[in-house]
Amino acid sequence: EDQVTQSPEALRLQEGESSSLNCSYTVSGLRGLFWYRQDPGKGPEFLFTLYSAGEEKEKERLKATLTKKESFLHITAPKPEDSATYLCAATLSGGSYIPTFGRGTSLIVHP
Amino acid sequence: DSGVTQTPKHLITATGQRVTLRCSPRSGDLSVYWYQQSLDQGLQFLIQYYNGEERAKGNILERFSAQQFPDLHSELNLSSLELGDSALYFCASSADLNTGELFFGEGSRLTVL
Repeated sequence: EDQVTQSPEALRLQEGESSSLNCSYTVSGLRGLFWYRQDPGKGPEFLFTLYSAGEEKEKERLKATLTKKESFLHITAPKPEDSATYLCAATLSGGSYIPTFGRGTSLIVHP
Repeated sequence: DSGVTQTPKHLITATGQRVTLRCSPRSGDLSVYWYQQSLDQGLQFLIQYYNGEERAKGNILERFSAQQFPDLHSELNLSSLELGDSALYFCASSADLNTGELFFGEGSRLTVL
């Protein structure tokens, strides 16, 4: 069964303390890997799409990378406003293009 | 603001009852998705519609049904409700079928007592 696993489940950082979130997948024939941000009481907000190993995307303090088996979301010098749950999703080639989501990493950045 | 509108935001009902959740997609988006989010299951795909037709089905219970109307809004009907149906129900939309870039509404929080 196709699966998307995220780690850690929760992460607490001090402001300015860089770190990485992991997303590993067992999706057969990966078609796309997606990162979303979800704030409490809100719907997920799209951040990045990655299609092939070696690809990288950046947005402000966030950088997403992709290998053949996993993706990382690097957070450089985070600020308290980066606190949120970060969700990873993957779609497989063939069939319907429906993202399968991981359970997310809850990030708290302390000032 | 994603442009996706969901109503109601909160709903409290009793076991055995039936509720309808409503979703208006972003202007121009033809594809609508319904997801269920609970603490123990994460975000689970239920069903997808594209331009009025059902295109993909996930782990949607037989007690649940959905449809997309000609004006592209969608409704998710949940019947014979059980305590375990308490969750956040999200609608998302996209411009076409082959994209993982979904625009989510703020969700409908269902509490079954």
